[in-house]
Amino acid sequence: DTEVTQTPKHLVMGMTNKKSLKCEQHMGHRAMYWYKQKAKKPPELMFVYSYEKLSINESVPSRFSPECPNSSLLNLHLHALQPEDSALYLCASRHFGGNTEAFFGQGTRLTVV
Amino acid sequence: GDSVTQMEGPVTLSEEAFLTINCTYTATGYPSLFWYVQYPGEGLQLLLKATKADDKGSNKGFEATYRKETTSFHLEKGSVQVSDSAVYFCALFNAGNNRKLIWGLGTSLAVNP
Repeated sequence: DTEVTQTPKHLVMGMTNKKSLKCEQHMGHRAMYWYKQKAKKPPELMFVYSYEKLSINESVPSRFSPECPNSSLLNLHLHALQPEDSALYLCASRHFGGNTEAFFGQGTRLTVV
Repeated sequence: GDSVTQMEGPVTLSEEAFLTINCTYTATGYPSLFWYVQYPGEGLQLLLKATKADDKGSNKGFEATYRKETTSFHLEKGSVQVSDSAVYFCALFNAGNNRKLIWGLGTSLAVNP
């Protein structure tokens, strides 16, 4: 199983809503990532979890709140987003050691209205 | 810091044409190199990888060789199909430097029948 599963696939939310994005992998990877991607641009790193601990926060606004409840799950909690936060949100995972590849989910297409 | 430079697109080809997308990198140490592909409306998929100098990655008719002397990892395919239309990203991962994937800007490929 080399799959990273993200839910939901699409999400429309108002600027006052609270929602969560979910990501799951069963490959035993201990590094998990959240990225934001605009159309035809490379992904922008948001957060990295290493062994369930937040190791990198790329100065992301506090309206995005990550959570890693266990080694298979990664959540991104959203609150009071702005229209410019509309994007594709990608989750990825990889083995912690070495220079191995990252596996990406299909993403959540988020629209903030 | 580490960086990836990728030829700009968009690239438009006719079916069965030869494809080359240039990618060069700057990195300390011994990074791994990757090509990821993103089909319209989807997440990122690993297309191929190379983990050390002179390695050749190949998949679905695509090839790329890790050339340390020219710091390059050019993507090639001998005969493209309409189904190859996508955005292609060159990336490197260097465990010795921030443990982040470093991305090229992406090259959009359109293949016409």
